[in-house]
Amino acid sequence: QVQLVESGGGVVQPGTSLRLSCVASGITLSHYPMHWVRQAPGKGLEWVANLYSDGGNKQYADSVRGRFTISRDTSKDTLNLQMDSLRDDDTAVYYCARDPDYKSGGHYWDALDVWGQGTMVTVSS
Amino acid sequence: ATQMTQSPSSLSASVGDTVTMTCRASQGISNDLGWYQQKPGKAPKLLIYAASSLQSGVPSRFSGSGSGTDFTLTISSLQPEDFATYYCLQDYTYPRTFGQGTKVEIK
Repeated sequence: QVQLVESGGGVVQPGTSLRLSCVASGITLSHYPMHWVRQAPGKGLEWVANLYSDGGNKQYADSVRGRFTISRDTSKDTLNLQMDSLRDDDTAVYYCARDPDYKSGGHYWDALDVWGQGTMVTVSS
Repeated sequence: ATQMTQSPSSLSASVGDTVTMTCRASQGISNDLGWYQQKPGKAPKLLIYAASSLQSGVPSRFSGSGSGTDFTLTISSLQPEDFATYYCLQDYTYPRTFGQGTKVEIK
């Protein structure tokens, strides 16, 4: 049974930092591209960032670029999201998700097939 | 950024109905689109990737179609467990973007 578990959420003040982590059971995270997706209370899904399996290629949503950093700790096989300069509108449930990297004929598709249960981040003064 | 617009925002249907929802991209995205189902308080679930490929374990009553800018998710013979919110996600370009969702409610 493949499972992802996020941790690190909490209540913080605007302008501060928080570090989220995602660990897996049943798979090796470093073998896959991984994503972070968030959902503000009562709102839709927002893609946040992803990291390719090589660990070098990272992409971010415009709303978090320059403030958030996605990374891996290969020694612990964890996925991290360092969130700096947090703002009120960063308040959300944050999910990590695996991407099995489906491909055909040299073309790859994102397919977030395994998700964690989410960790809540509340930014409030 | 590529904007994804879903319609309708919500729909009411009965068990056994066939429902269709659409997702329109602000630019051509080939077939780089996935569909996700989310129930309240739960993580999303992958239904369809590459616009029309059914994810393993997903019932065959779910189907996806489309290419370019216009995409459709169809649920044939709606079941009680299908009442949920559905999101599309484009993976053609960065940043990845979700549609705003279509909520399927019980009539």
